[in-house]
Amino acid sequence: AQSVAQPEDQVNVAEGNPLTVKCTYSVSGNPYLFWYVQYPNRGLQFLLKYITGDNLVKGSYGFEAEFNKSQTSFHLKKPSALVSDSALYFCAVKNSGYALNFGKGTSLLVTP
Amino acid sequence: KAGVTQTPRYLIKTRGQQVTLSCSPISGHRSVSWYQQTPGQGLQFLFEYFSETQRNKGNFPGRFSGRQFSNSRSEMNVSTLELGDSALYLCASSLDSGRNTEAFFGQGTRLTVV
Repeated sequence: AQSVAQPEDQVNVAEGNPLTVKCTYSVSGNPYLFWYVQYPNRGLQFLLKYITGDNLVKGSYGFEAEFNKSQTSFHLKKPSALVSDSALYFCAVKNSGYALNFGKGTSLLVTP
Repeated sequence: KAGVTQTPRYLIKTRGQQVTLSCSPISGHRSVSWYQQTPGQGLQFLFEYFSETQRNKGNFPGRFSGRQFSNSRSEMNVSTLELGDSALYLCASSLDSGRNTEAFFGQGTRLTVV
């Protein structure tokens, strides 16, 4: 079974500081990994994906993610956090049936 | 380009009733998936349609059904509503159903069952 885990329910960071939201995966075969963000009362917005190739993936809004095969991780990063980045972040993996299996989400709070 | 449109945005229904939710995908997208989001269970996959055919189904009872039309628009239906069906229902569309293809989500339909 393909699954992801987000070990942190909440991440707090000060504006201007770098942020990391963690995700680990468990897959058989090649992983197809995604990050989404959800603002209150909104749907999910696609940030970035890893399919193959470079381990550092760049996405929307200045976010990037680092794929690490040996640690089975796909952490989301941003060099300088903004208050407007405060939201719920989901890591996901596409399973063999092409559905997205989501982690439980990590709430990011960026304080001024 | 217009995004994924879901209607209605909010619904209140009574236990035992049925409900139909609608989703218009991004123009040109042929795959539509549905997800249920609740505080307790998180995001769970319901089903996926591609070219009017259900290709994949999640672990939900038969009360949950869906269909896709020739213009790729999709509907999902929940019959005999239960209190536990209260959730945010999200529709997502993709250009195709490949594993490397990202899905784009609508704003969701908030269903409250009373």
